Amino acid sequence: AQKITQTQPGMFVQEKEAVTLDCTYDTSDPSYGLFWYKQPSSGEMIFLIYQGSYDQQNATEGRYSLNFQKARKSANLVISASQLGDSAMYFCAMREPRYNAGGTSYGKLTFGQGTILTVHP
Amino acid sequence: DGGITQSPKYLFRKEGQNVTLSCEQNLNHDAMYWYRQDPGQGLRLIYYSQIVNDFQKGDIAEGYSVSREKKESFPLTVTSAQKNPTAFYLCASTSGSSYTDTQYFGPGTRLTVL
Repeated sequence: AQKITQTQPGMFVQEKEAVTLDCTYDTSDPSYGLFWYKQPSSGEMIFLIYQGSYDQQNATEGRYSLNFQKARKSANLVISASQLGDSAMYFCAMREPRYNAGGTSYGKLTFGQGTILTVHP
Repeated sequence: DGGITQSPKYLFRKEGQNVTLSCEQNLNHDAMYWYRQDPGQGLRLIYYSQIVNDFQKGDIAEGYSVSREKKESFPLTVTSAQKNPTAFYLCASTSGSSYTDTQYFGPGTRLTVL
């Protein structure tokens, strides 16, 4: 089963409008972290925003906010006032506590397939 | 400026050759990771290291090897045993290994096997 599902292969938005990128996750662990990354055409992965499973409030970072619905296991990214520079691939990721053979936690990060966002002028 | 550097940005290799990708960080992070990304796909974990002189296999370690002799450095060798090595390789690091720690990434190396 997919741990992280991003159902929108591509999204289009008009400049200055808001857009929501969907992400659902699957875990039975009560402790986990949810991350969103932006990957422009240059390839580097840019960290955008983090939401912890125990956080009571939705995370916000500038124009980025995370609509966290724990019961539905969804963590949608909302970008307000879209800019042309927001055109990129966006990945949702989840980090769960995992333990290697030696019993040490290493917090494995699992990525979704990504959503390509195109901002039109 | 603190960050993660990867070199080279582009790498071409003939079939049957081993090649080593460099990853250096000056963030004083303990944990480092290597990921592989294929076109239109998410990232898959190759190897990770939580401390100097220790590393563990990720989900797709076959055909790859790593070393961690210094805290700042975590080079990845793509061996001739790796059947489909053409991909984009990303190195990452975190200050710790908790599920709350954010992974920061380098700019990546694009490997092409000719």
